[in-house]
Amino acid sequence: KNEVEQSPQNLTAQEGEFITINCSYSVGISALHWLQQHPGGGIVSLFMLSSGKKKHGRLIATINIQEKHSSLHITASHPRDSAVYICAAGSYNTDKLIFGTGTRLQVFP
Amino acid sequence: DGGITQSPKYLFRKEGQNVTLSCEQNLNHDAMYWYRQDPGQGLRLIYYSQIVNDFQKGDIAEGYSVSREKKESFPLTVTSAQKNPTAFYLCASSRQGDSYEQYFGPGTRLTVT
Repeated sequence: KNEVEQSPQNLTAQEGEFITINCSYSVGISALHWLQQHPGGGIVSLFMLSSGKKKHGRLIATINIQEKHSSLHITASHPRDSAVYICAAGSYNTDKLIFGTGTRLQVFP
Repeated sequence: DGGITQSPKYLFRKEGQNVTLSCEQNLNHDAMYWYRQDPGQGLRLIYYSQIVNDFQKGDIAEGYSVSREKKESFPLTVTSAQKNPTAFYLCASSRQGDSYEQYFGPGTRLTVT
């Protein structure tokens, strides 16, 4: 079993739909990172959080430390949101990031 | 603009040849990392360096080598000993003591035939 699990692996949506991507982890963490990878391959950081909730534009990230679970929500999804979304847990034991396998999102007009 | 550059974007090599991937950053970050990405798998750490002239093996270091002679540069050599070198390689950097907030480069796709 992977230490960081994401679901779903693939997700398709119509423009305007509300999207939720889930991340569960089994390691003790100091922080959890949500990353976005576009088809060209480059990765950008969306959020880093260790508790509660963060919001940036149409993106919202939440984390429940007790349940070891985080979610990334996209409101009013748009085709330009199509990308792979990656969850990465910052392990406080190893001081390294442990990556999930990613969720491939396609939003159709 | 500050950032991380990786070159080239695409690289093709024949089996048995060593190849070096470039990674340069102008963020003044002390720590740098190399990851490998394969379809259906999460990023896996190859090597990392927290300071100039020092580096440590990650989870999948076999068949790879690195150097860190300058703060800005962390080249990765994929040697002929690496059994499955075809992959997407990503370089990242972070401030000292802030290893969770990593900034990523655009990646290099290596194809070995």
